[in-house]
Amino acid sequence: EAAVTQSPRSKVAVTGGKVTLSCHQTNNHDYMYWYRQDTGHGLRLIHYSYVADSTEKGDIPDGYKASRPSQENFSLILELASLSQTAVYFCASSDAWGRQNTLYFGAGTRLSVL
Amino acid sequence: AQKVIQVWSTTSRQEGEKLTLDCSYKTSQVLYHLFWYKHLLSGEMVLLIRQMPSTIAIERSGRYSVVFQKSRKSISLVISTLQPDDSGKYFCALWELAYNTNTGKLTFGDGTVLTVKP
Repeated sequence: EAAVTQSPRSKVAVTGGKVTLSCHQTNNHDYMYWYRQDTGHGLRLIHYSYVADSTEKGDIPDGYKASRPSQENFSLILELASLSQTAVYFCASSDAWGRQNTLYFGAGTRLSVL
Repeated sequence: AQKVIQVWSTTSRQEGEKLTLDCSYKTSQVLYHLFWYKHLLSGEMVLLIRQMPSTIAIERSGRYSVVFQKSRKSISLVISTLQPDDSGKYFCALWELAYNTNTGKLTFGDGTVLTVKP
């Protein structure tokens, strides 16, 4: 059974609208991450969190907010969606640094902004 | 400059063949790990191999293994006896720990799309 679950699996949004992508993990992991993947490219880190009620900026945070209300849940928020944010978004979780830095990914959310 | 470089963006092979996917990386950190992930058509990202440069053991998992050349900063994924189900996108990734900030970072290559023909 999937330990990292993303919802929705796909979404079409209008430019300027608000989009919330949700992620739930049952791995009991401290760390959670949001990545985006663009066609033909690798994954780039948007935001991450290592504890509930706290989030950190990744490599490309502009235009995105994140929320970690509990250890299990991590949301990515696009307050004003733009065409350039069309991409596939992956959520992942991992245990604490050092011993376990292996990421476990969700199945991805395909977002199209029109 | 890219930290993780996968030269091939796409490749195609016949069922039963052996394939090597190349990956090179750049890092100045002492502590780092290397990963190979497979992106399935269903959307899942599946971990295939994790290699820790601090060990000399070469990781293997089923039909997957790596050729790791630490001095050349190169880690290649080897898939033996290819099957059509091996089709998908393969990502090489570098995880580094920066001691000055005690934070880690995972950087992905652009990926290689593999098609295995029956």
